[in-house]
Amino acid sequence: NAGVMQNPRHLVRRRGQEARLRCSPMKGHSHVYWYRQLPEEGLKFMVYLQKENIIDESGMPKERFSAEFPKEGPSILRIQQVVRGDSAAYFCASSSTGVPPPGELFFGEGSRLTVL
Amino acid sequence: TQLLEQSPQFLSIQEGENLTVYCNSSSVFSSLQWYRQEPGEGPVLLVTVVTGGEVKKLKRLTFQFGDARKDSSLHITAAQPGDTGLYLCAGALPPSSGSARQLTFGSGTQLTVLP
Repeated sequence: NAGVMQNPRHLVRRRGQEARLRCSPMKGHSHVYWYRQLPEEGLKFMVYLQKENIIDESGMPKERFSAEFPKEGPSILRIQQVVRGDSAAYFCASSSTGVPPPGELFFGEGSRLTVL
Repeated sequence: TQLLEQSPQFLSIQEGENLTVYCNSSSVFSSLQWYRQEPGEGPVLLVTVVTGGEVKKLKRLTFQFGDARKDSSLHITAAQPGDTGLYLCAGALPPSSGSARQLTFGSGTQLTVLP
């Protein structure tokens, strides 16, 4: 499967725990975007990364949330000390170019986080 | 407040009917995209429009970008049950906005086509 791979597909955490979501972009893509989707809402931009660089994190909460895209390995979205309001579907998308307009984004199937 | 407002939010029609979904904003976008999302999956790109007044056709789907690049519409002719899904518009703001590298999504239109 050469598409965007996200794991885990489903994750359950208790309040205060940490959640780590992983995203492997499509082969040859070096631009990764993370979006959050609440029930019956559209996707909200969180962060845009290239290899080893955060390009735009204007949509990501300043506290508890962090993202990285290392030279080797998948991009990781990390949520520390989760709260119930973090329950959502988190989508990763990749693109072959980040030059505006973003071009076609290829989305993964999402990671659904449930905080108990 | 949503930067991109989609209407209607929900739409249920019979197979064979026509429908139009709207995506409106007070902001100007350098380009606009339409995605379709099915339950448990990520959005899939249908079309990108970049020129004001542009019309693109994809089989039974017709997409239009407003002259002022603030709005767009998606028209489906002779809808089929396979068209059922969440339709999302997404816009790229101009470089001067400082947010050109991210896509801004509308809240979506949930379409159900009944056989």
